[in-house]
Amino acid sequence: AQSVTQLGSHVSVSEGALVLLRCNYSSSVPPYLFWYVQYPNQGLQLLLKYTSAATLVKGINGFEAEFKKSETSFHLTKPSAHMSDAAEYFCAVTLGNTPLVFGKGTRLSVIA
Amino acid sequence: DAMVIQNPRYQVTQFGKPVTLSCSQTLNHNVMYWYQQKSSQAPKLLFHYYDKDFNNEADTPDNFQSRRPNTSFCFLDIRSPGLGDAAMYLCATESAYEQYFGPGTRLTVT
Repeated sequence: AQSVTQLGSHVSVSEGALVLLRCNYSSSVPPYLFWYVQYPNQGLQLLLKYTSAATLVKGINGFEAEFKKSETSFHLTKPSAHMSDAAEYFCAVTLGNTPLVFGKGTRLSVIA
Repeated sequence: DAMVIQNPRYQVTQFGKPVTLSCSQTLNHNVMYWYQQKSSQAPKLLFHYYDKDFNNEADTPDNFQSRRPNTSFCFLDIRSPGLGDAAMYLCATESAYEQYFGPGTRLTVT
């Protein structure tokens, strides 16, 4: 069965600093990988997805993620954090014919 | 422009009093999901539909049921809510492996 592990339940960065949220996956076959963002009292919004095309995926709000098969990773980055990036971020995996499996989430705080 | 709509956004019910949460979609997607999300946790899958084919997760309590009368609408029924059922309930549709979430209904049980 597939799974994802998000390293760090809480990450704090200064405004303008690099954002790095870590996600490692486990899957016996090539997976589809996603990053979602959730603001307080809102649903989840798709940031970006990897579906076996380009390994470097660009998403909304300046975020990107790189699929690294050798490291079984799909880390989310953004060069310069903005206050509006403060939210909960979820990494998720599916094999395409199975429901999404979510990581436990990482809460991002941005300090002015 | 709303694509997945959940009503109401906030619902208060009494302990043991049945409650129904609603979800509708304008995307015409065959696949729909209900999730339960408690504070500071990941969404937990309760049910999903592949068109009319209904699937409930093995650990979904019997207290929870779902109905999907047509492609556009889906309902989550909680027959006898307990204090532990207080949570955010998320509805989502899916197309090409991408899920589209509604804004959620926050359920409070008093």
